[in-house]
Amino acid sequence: QKEVEQDPGPLSVPEGAIVSLNCTYSNSAFQYFMWYRQYSRKGPELLMYTYSSGNKEDGRFTAQVDKSSKYISLFIRDSQPSDSATYLCAMSAYSGANNLFFGTGTRLTVIP
Amino acid sequence: DAGVIQSPRHEVTEMGQEVTLRCKPISGHDYLFWYRQTMMRGLELLIYFNNNVPIDDSGMPEDRFSAKMPNASFSTLKIQPSEPRDSAVYFCASSYKSNQETQYFGPGTRLLVL
Repeated sequence: QKEVEQDPGPLSVPEGAIVSLNCTYSNSAFQYFMWYRQYSRKGPELLMYTYSSGNKEDGRFTAQVDKSSKYISLFIRDSQPSDSATYLCAMSAYSGANNLFFGTGTRLTVIP
Repeated sequence: DAGVIQSPRHEVTEMGQEVTLRCKPISGHDYLFWYRQTMMRGLELLIYFNNNVPIDDSGMPEDRFSAKMPNASFSTLKIQPSEPRDSAVYFCASSYKSNQETQYFGPGTRLLVL
């Protein structure tokens, strides 16, 4: 079983829709959770960063962590065509450099 | 700040040839990471450096892969000899010591080994 599981999609939604992206994980020690956005032929860029459980909101983006279910989500409200990208979740157990585990990414297309 | 710089952006080579990928991290960052991304396996950490010293190379697939960081502003990832299964996008990333989880990625090198 992989440490982090993420549905690869692809996911297509109309502009203005609410998007829900999800990851599950198996290691209960994970406590740092990140979402990266990767545009086509570009490197991943950090979108959201949360520690432990709870919600974090940044503009149209909300990151949610449910440690009891080992489940994290990224919600995008009022989705825009510019949100079309691959979204990767990542997580780690320690504040250390060598144990960042990535999901395989979900490809999202927002249709105008 | 120009961000993490990688070269070349694309590389096409024949099996058995040596391939060298280059990376310039963000100035002042203490950590440098090399990743490989494929459709099947996603993003995999190959090796990372702290203050130019290799810390963990357990992700390097085999002896054909080697990485160096001769100074704080330059790193190389070398594959010798290259094989078709090495075809992937290779990313370099860097981060501050105090915030290792927030890594800044370069644009990647797309490698195709024929």
